[in-house]
Amino acid sequence: GDSVTQMEGPVTLSEEAFLTINCTYTATGYPSLFWYVQYPGEGLQLLLKATKADDKGSNKGFEATYRKETTSFHLEKGSVQVSDSAVYFCALRNNQGGKLIFGQGTELSVKP
Amino acid sequence: EAQVTQNPRYLITVTGKKLTVTCSQNMNHEYMSWYRQDPGLGLRQIYYSMNVEVTDKGDVPEGYKVSRKEKRNFPLILESPSPNQTSLYFCASSFGQGGSPLHFGNGTRLTVT
Repeated sequence: GDSVTQMEGPVTLSEEAFLTINCTYTATGYPSLFWYVQYPGEGLQLLLKATKADDKGSNKGFEATYRKETTSFHLEKGSVQVSDSAVYFCALRNNQGGKLIFGQGTELSVKP
Repeated sequence: EAQVTQNPRYLITVTGKKLTVTCSQNMNHEYMSWYRQDPGLGLRQIYYSMNVEVTDKGDVPEGYKVSRKEKRNFPLILESPSPNQTSLYFCASSFGQGGSPLHFGNGTRLTVT
């Protein structure tokens, strides 16, 4: 079945460092891809999305490009802030029941 | 403000005592779903609904019931809760499937003793 694999955390960075969180997927058909962020004690918030190959999603300085050839959707940010500390989830969604399939999540901790 | 509202945020109950977690969305979304989040197991879908009176099982439906009598509401019912249902629950909704992002509520932390 469809699945999403994320790099394991926790990831600890200093403020202004470059961030990459790797995400690869296995899916039949042409899924849409998403990154969600979960701050402590809160629900999941959509960070960005891409619905077809070569699309780039971006929001709040974060970017990810839908790479069909490598089945990847890596999350990047050029300069992280302490306020970016959270758990990040990569996910895919297709039209078979509309289920959002999540990776295991990557905890990011940014130190001043 | 567009949102998915779950209640209660926290709930402690005892084994076997029926409970309902409510979920309401104000975005006129057709699709609604329930997930549970557990350490080491991630987020797993419990039930989903593609429209009013249309519901279907997700990956972990055992011990849960849902109903979709109105478009905006999608309650999660635990007829006889057990300790293995202690978890963090999220309701979510979207316009459709595929490229439509799911909008999540803030979660309900349930403890069954």
